[in-house]
Amino acid sequence: GESVGLHLPTLSVQEGDNSIINCAYSNSASDYFIWYKQESGKGPQFIIDIRSNMDKRQGQRVTVLLNKTVKHLSLQIAATQPGDSAVYFCAENQGGSEKLVFGKGTKLTVNP
Amino acid sequence: KAGVTQTPRYLIKTRGQQVTLSCSPISGHRSVSWYQQTPGQGLQFLFEYFSETQRNKGNFPGRFSGRQFSNSRSEMNVSTLELGDSALYLCASRQGGEETQYFGPGTRLLVL
Repeated sequence: GESVGLHLPTLSVQEGDNSIINCAYSNSASDYFIWYKQESGKGPQFIIDIRSNMDKRQGQRVTVLLNKTVKHLSLQIAATQPGDSAVYFCAENQGGSEKLVFGKGTKLTVNP
Repeated sequence: KAGVTQTPRYLIKTRGQQVTLSCSPISGHRSVSWYQQTPGQGLQFLFEYFSETQRNKGNFPGRFSGRQFSNSRSEMNVSTLELGDSALYLCASRQGGEETQYFGPGTRLLVL
């Protein structure tokens, strides 16, 4: 069935390093992808999104890369800070459907 | 603009009881979606409402239901609660025609 998954459940980085969080998706019909950050006790917070007609999109300190050939999505965080520690989810919106299909999440820990 | 609000934030119920959760979307957003989040299953789509009509439904039993009011506020109801219904219930809203969903803080439900 359709699913969105993540390669690693946890990621630990040093403060100031760049972080890369990966996500694999299986539905080639998906045309919209989104990354959320969820801190403990809070709801998911929108970070950045990308449509399938793009392969890269940049925000403030974050970049999302989309490789449709291998159905792979990644989130890059530059100069990772302690406040970036959270669980990161990728999600896909399959064309014509309003529901988001989420991956399991990657827990990012930033060490000072 | 105020974000998505959910009430109550925490709830404890016993098996067999029913529960109603409330969600107020961002002002101007007419679409409200509900998700269940558990450690084992992650974030799973329950249903989406737009202009008081259910437009999409996930794979949950009929004990889970919802509705939307003319002011776009939404409620979800779970009847005959089971232990496995313990979860964080998240509400997300979006503007019609756009795909980005913005989440509320969630309602933490514990079924004893």
